[in-house]
Amino acid sequence: QKEVEQDPGPLSVPEGAIVSLNCTYSNSAFQYFMWYRQYSRKGPELLMYTYSSGNKEDGRFTAQVDKSSKYISLFIRDSQPSDSATYLCAMIHTGNQFYFGTGTSLTVIP
Amino acid sequence: KAGVTQTPRYLIKTRGQQVTLSCSPISGHRSVSWYQQTPGQGLQFLFEYFSETQRNKGNFPGRFSGRQFSNSRSEMNVSTLELGDSALYLCASRGTNYGYTFGSGTRLTVV
Repeated sequence: QKEVEQDPGPLSVPEGAIVSLNCTYSNSAFQYFMWYRQYSRKGPELLMYTYSSGNKEDGRFTAQVDKSSKYISLFIRDSQPSDSATYLCAMIHTGNQFYFGTGTSLTVIP
Repeated sequence: KAGVTQTPRYLIKTRGQQVTLSCSPISGHRSVSWYQQTPGQGLQFLFEYFSETQRNKGNFPGRFSGRQFSNSRSEMNVSTLELGDSALYLCASRGTNYGYTFGSGTRLTVV
């Protein structure tokens, strides 16, 4: 079993839709949770960073962590064509090594 | 503030050759990590360097090696290239917080 599981999609939504991206994990030692966005031919860029369970909001983006279920989500409100990218979840425990999901490809159709 | 710089951006090599990729981290960042990204496997951790010392290593064969210099710049080397080594190689640097900053990567094609 992989440490981090993420549905690869692809996911296609109309402009303005709410997008939900999810990851599950197996290691309860994970403490820090991140979401990265990767455009074609670019490296991943950090979108959101959370520690502990709960929600964190930044503009149209909300990151949610449920440690009891080992489940994290990223919600995108009012999705825009510029949100079309691959979204990767990542997590880390005290060992300092990152574990990434395989990424979900999102296309927002104008 | 300059980002993470990786050179070259693209590379084509023949099976059996070796290759060296370079990464310049964000100024002041002492931690540099390398990842291999392929469509099927996603991001696979290669190794992490901190202050010239390898701190963590992923599950890759010994053909993959790296080093970090005193100015935090890092290089990774792959010897005896195989077709399966074709991938996007990403370098990431980290400061005092937990988030990585990635470079744009080096796309290696082995023919």
